[in-house]
Amino acid sequence: GQQLNQSPQSMFIQEGEDVSMNCTSSSIFNTWLWYKQDPGEGPVLLIALYKAGELTSNGRLTAQFGITRKDSFLNISASIPSDVGIYFCAGPDNGSGGSNYKLTFGKGTLLTVNP
Amino acid sequence: DTAVSQTPKYLVTQMGNDKSIKCEQNLGHDTMYWYKQDSKKFLKIMFSYNNKELIINETVPNRFSPKSPDKAHLNLHINSLELGDSAVYFCASSRLGGTGEFFGPGTRLTVL
Repeated sequence: GQQLNQSPQSMFIQEGEDVSMNCTSSSIFNTWLWYKQDPGEGPVLLIALYKAGELTSNGRLTAQFGITRKDSFLNISASIPSDVGIYFCAGPDNGSGGSNYKLTFGKGTLLTVNP
Repeated sequence: DTAVSQTPKYLVTQMGNDKSIKCEQNLGHDTMYWYKQDSKKFLKIMFSYNNKELIINETVPNRFSPKSPDKAHLNLHINSLELGDSAVYFCASSRLGGTGEFFGPGTRLTVL
């Protein structure tokens, strides 16, 4: 199956700092999704990107769909303690669609914010 | 209002036992999934069901048997539990064809 390479693996930052993480693939994705998982909870969808070059914001979060369609970036501005968690990128496998829809997830970026 | 719910939240059991995890979604979605998250937090799909029909089975051992009595429910039964089955299991749902899945809170399974 397809693989998503997510980096960095972990980040330790001070409250108020901006954060940037990215996801790359060797193959083209038609959709990029960014999820956040709080400790002890399931992943929650933050942002969905559907078009190459698309830039979408959700509050302090901004994500971009790379123009090559092989990468995506997530930025968090002015981080706060509740931003702590694991951030996952994900995308549907090529050829998966309709009832055959299947997501591949990156390995996650663990974010720690020091107050 | 709970969108995707799972029970139990925690499950501790002995090797060799059989256990079940239940999942329900009230979002009206057609497709439901089971994911496994290992100790390194890697999320991998196990199964997907669409309108009670099995669509995806990702080379999961046949000790794992999902069952969908209706499109709002997808349960996971595991026979002869092994140590390596210890993980967090997430149920999820989505509209047909995605995009973006809604996850349940997870069931942490510990096999002793």
